[in-house]
Amino acid sequence: QVTLKESGPVLVKPTETLTLTCTVSGFSLSNARMGVSWIRQPPGKALEWLAHIFSNDEKSYSTSLKSRLTISKDTSKSQVVLTMTNMDPVDTATYYCARMLEYGDYGNWFDPWGQGTLVTVSS
Amino acid sequence: DIQMTQSPSSLSASVGDRVTITCQASQDISNYLNWYQQKPGKAPKLLIYAASNLETGVPSRFSGSGSGTDFTFTISSLQPEDIATYYCQQYDNLPYTFGQGTKLEIK
Repeated sequence: QVTLKESGPVLVKPTETLTLTCTVSGFSLSNARMGVSWIRQPPGKALEWLAHIFSNDEKSYSTSLKSRLTISKDTSKSQVVLTMTNMDPVDTATYYCARMLEYGDYGNWFDPWGQGTLVTVSS
Repeated sequence: DIQMTQSPSSLSASVGDRVTITCQASQDISNYLNWYQQKPGKAPKLLIYAASNLETGVPSRFSGSGSGTDFTFTISSLQPEDIATYYCQQYDNLPYTFGQGTKLEIK
């Protein structure tokens, strides 16, 4: 069974750096055709894609947040880590990690998703 | 970035109704589009991949169609358990982008 689980602080202060960890099971982060994304959702709002790390360690970031984000993985620990610097109250959101299956023209899709972790930014 | 525009943003329908949601991409994305269902307090769940392919285990009342810039998601006969917010998502180009969501309610 494939699962992903997010962990990290529930509360961060403005200007601090957020570090979130996604621990995966049921697949290896070195598997071809499998990557992991981070996606967030402010309360009552839409999903926003943040960052992705491919099986070959290539990385991609949201255009608007690129300067603040870093994604990395530790294959031996089955973990994907996202850091976001200079946190602001508008960054308050539920943060999800999700596996992407990459089959090219056949399709790429997010499945499954973690349960999400709510991060509140407040002093 | 590719912009994804969903309509309507909210929809109220009766049990048994046929429900249709549209998603328009700001440029041609071929069939590189997925649909997700998100129930309150839960993570999104994949329903349709590559525009028209039903994910395993998803009821056949759900379907998707379209290519290029215009896509449609349909529930053929609305059931009470379909109350959720639905999102489209393109994967033709990075960064991946989602639509703003369509909140479906029972009338």
